[in-house]
Amino acid sequence: GQSLEQPSEVTAVEGAIVQINCTYQTSGFYGLSWYQQHDGGAPTFLSYNALDGLEETGRFSSFLSRSDSYGYLLLQELQMKDSASYFCAVRDDSGNTGKLIFGQGTTLQVKP
Amino acid sequence: KAGVTQTPRYLIKTRGQQVTLSCSPISGHRSVSWYQQTPGQGLQFLFEYFSETQRNKGNFPGRFSGRQFSNSRSEMNVSTLELGDSALYLCASSVGAGLGTGELFFGEGSRLTVL
Repeated sequence: GQSLEQPSEVTAVEGAIVQINCTYQTSGFYGLSWYQQHDGGAPTFLSYNALDGLEETGRFSSFLSRSDSYGYLLLQELQMKDSASYFCAVRDDSGNTGKLIFGQGTTLQVKP
Repeated sequence: KAGVTQTPRYLIKTRGQQVTLSCSPISGHRSVSWYQQTPGQGLQFLFEYFSETQRNKGNFPGRFSGRQFSNSRSEMNVSTLELGDSALYLCASSVGAGLGTGELFFGEGSRLTVL
């Protein structure tokens, strides 16, 4: 079957750095994405990795190792507003389609 | 630029009824995907429409169906509702073609409660 594993909960303090890991097992792989969702809100796109390595966007970075079927999202200088759920998602289709396989999500709680 | 609009935002139905949810994508986006979000199962792909054609389908029973119109607006329908269909139904639009990150732009969702 196809699955993505990520921790269910992570807690950190303001100003700290937190890493959310994601391992995947899918029939195909054409990229790993990360989405953020605040309570009651729409998921919003954070990053995308198609190739091995680190992608940096401001305070957020995402890493991918295709040989290990593993990626992570790194959040630096945590702020209270970063408290949300974070989902990794795999595109298992070579086309630029809207079909993604999502992990169960990691709830990040940032404490003062 | 307007975002993805979903209607209705909240609705309550009883078992056996049917429901139709609507989604207006971002202007210029030709792909509309639908996802079901529940606490136990997370975000699960239902189906995707591109240029009025179903391009992908997830593992859901035939009670779940959808369509896309020529203006890219999409509707999904669930017939013979069951208690387990209670969920947040999210619509996402994307360019849907060519290269790129495949970034999905989600709407706020339609929260369906089945009693």
